[in-house]
Amino acid sequence: EVQLVESGGGLVQPGRSLRLSCAASGFTFDDYAMHWVRQGPGKGLEWVSGISWNSGRIGYADSVKGRFTISRDNAKNSLYLQMNSLRPEDTALYYCAKAIYSSANSSIDYWGQGALVIVSS
Amino acid sequence: SYELTQPPSVSVSPGQTARITCSGDALPKKYAYWYQQKSGQAPVLVIYEDIKRPSGIPERFSGSSSGTMATLTISGAQVEDEADYYCFSTDSSGDHVVFGGGTKLTVL
Repeated sequence: EVQLVESGGGLVQPGRSLRLSCAASGFTFDDYAMHWVRQGPGKGLEWVSGISWNSGRIGYADSVKGRFTISRDNAKNSLYLQMNSLRPEDTALYYCAKAIYSSANSSIDYWGQGALVIVSS
Repeated sequence: SYELTQPPSVSVSPGQTARITCSGDALPKKYAYWYQQKSGQAPVLVIYEDIKRPSGIPERFSGSSSGTMATLTISGAQVEDEADYYCFSTDSSGDHVVFGGGTKLTVL
């Protein structure tokens, strides 16, 4: 059974940093791309970033480019999102998601339950 | 930036057919994917690569695509199908990944 468990969310002041982690199990982690997707309160889904199976290709939404960094450690079956210069509009539930294929732009077939990030003073 | 456009809401009575559309310029060349999200839950994939249904998804869910529009059809919609539905695809270069704005399906 595919399991994705996010951690690292919380309340943070504007301008500060936060690092999200995602522990994956139930599949061969280094065969698949991974994504971060967020959902603001009462809003729709927003793709944040994706990373290919070997970290060779990475993509970011324009709204986070230059502030967020996605990475993965295949030896630890883990995905990360380093979020710097956080803004109130980054407040959202952040989902870790498994891609259907190995490329960074392939779609998603499994989702975690999300980590809540609140950016407020 | 690339956009996928969905109607904000669709409403049907139980047993009727619900159709949710998703329009985007690259859809003639790129697959569409559909997700169902019930209140307070993580999304679930219901259609992939325009027309394919994952195991465990009821047969009443189907997908189609023609030109710049993809369509999710729920034949004989049930009350438990009430949810937000999102389409997902990429632009023609494959560099930009995007979700549609979501459609709230009401079945009553």
